[in-house]
Amino acid sequence: AQKITQTQPGMFVQEKEAVTLDCTYDTSDPSYGLFWYKQPSSGEMIFLIYQGSYDQQNATEGRYSLNFQKARKSANLVISASQLGDSAMYFCAMREGPYSDKLIFGTGTRLQVFP
Amino acid sequence: ETGVTQTPRHLVMGMTNKKSLKCEQHLGHNAMYWYKQSAKKPLELMFVYNFKEQTENNSVPSRFSPECPNSSHLFLHLHTLQPEDSALYLCASSQPDRNYEQYFGPGTRLTVT
Repeated sequence: AQKITQTQPGMFVQEKEAVTLDCTYDTSDPSYGLFWYKQPSSGEMIFLIYQGSYDQQNATEGRYSLNFQKARKSANLVISASQLGDSAMYFCAMREGPYSDKLIFGTGTRLQVFP
Repeated sequence: ETGVTQTPRHLVMGMTNKKSLKCEQHLGHNAMYWYKQSAKKPLELMFVYNFKEQTENNSVPSRFSPECPNSSHLFLHLHTLQPEDSALYLCASSQPDRNYEQYFGPGTRLTVT
């Protein structure tokens, strides 16, 4: 079974609008971490935001917020006020367990922002 | 700039060549990673090093040989590769007390002819 599922291969959004990128995960470990990364065409994976399984509040970092719904095992990324520079691949990833140093990645969503 | 550099950025090699990829991190992290990213596939973890010791080898063929001389440097030695090994190879580093978030380098785009 897929540990991380990103069902949207591609998304379009108009500049200045908000967009939600979906991510669902599967784990039986009560302690885990969820990450979102951005990969522009240059190839570098850029860390965006982190959510711990015990965190009570949804994580936010500037225009990025993580809509964490634990019971549904979803960790959707919300980008507000999209900019042209947000066009990139976006990957959801999970760390299982409190001490694991391994990340499991999804297949990614390609976001295109148009003027 | 994430503090993780990789060289070369692009590499074309024949199946009989020997080459090495280099990764250097300037973040003071203790863990370093090699990933392979092929088209339309999730990132595949290849190797993990913690404090210079290899803690993970994810069933990687022996034609890929990692080396970690210190916590700041990581190499991936390549020999007798196959065309299906063509991919983007990403290096990352992390620090356990920071939620294990990993910081990535720009990658090496490898083409095997």
